Amino acid sequence: QVQLQESGPGLVKPSQTLSLTCTVSGGSISSGGYYWSWIRQHPGKGLEWIGYIYYSGSTYYNPSLKSRVTISVDTSKNQFSLKLSSVTAADTAVYYCARGLGGATGWFDPWGQGTLVTVSS
Amino acid sequence: QSVLTQPPSVSGAPGQRVTISCTGSSSNIGAGYDVHWYHQLPGTAPKLLMYGKNNRPSGVPDRFSGSKSGTSASLAITGLQAEDEADYYCQSYDSSLSGVFGTGTKVTVL
Repeated sequence: QVQLQESGPGLVKPSQTLSLTCTVSGGSISSGGYYWSWIRQHPGKGLEWIGYIYYSGSTYYNPSLKSRVTISVDTSKNQFSLKLSSVTAADTAVYYCARGLGGATGWFDPWGQGTLVTVSS
Repeated sequence: QSVLTQPPSVSGAPGQRVTISCTGSSSNIGAGYDVHWYHQLPGTAPKLLMYGKNNRPSGVPDRFSGSKSGTSASLAITGLQAEDEADYYCQSYDSSLSGVFGTGTKVTVL
């Protein structure tokens, strides 16, 4: 059973880069057909898709965040990562990693437990 | 920035049927992309509830069903139970090359 776990700093200063890692267990990140994804949820708000990386390394980003987002994969560690640059208070959110299935238009399952990142000086 | 619109809340008595709507546009649901559904308990991560064309993951009871028509989709919960009280989100894909989520609906069991 595949499980995902986010890790990274819980506090980031404005204008700096937010960096998170998602560790995948119970399965290989190199398995074909999956879109390894990042999704965030602002406090008390709905969900926002950030982007995903295909096992081949192809990336797809939310157009509204594209200029600041980089998603990468480290197959040797069975991890994928998120970098979001030039953060502001508006980037304060719970960040989830998830496995995407059913193609680029598919669904997300399972999800990590989420990690709260606060942007503050 | 949610592209799919859901009612903020719906409620029903135990045993009743409730429906949650998810309204999109011609660039997402109306373009033929599938709609998927999640539920989320407070303080926990969303969990997949329905995917593709009315498919349920293992363990999800058949009290949950989905439908789609035009630019909208709906999730129906029949035989409402106390454990169904949660936030529900729809999700689809938009032609702008982006995954999109609904605004979320809080289901309250009276």
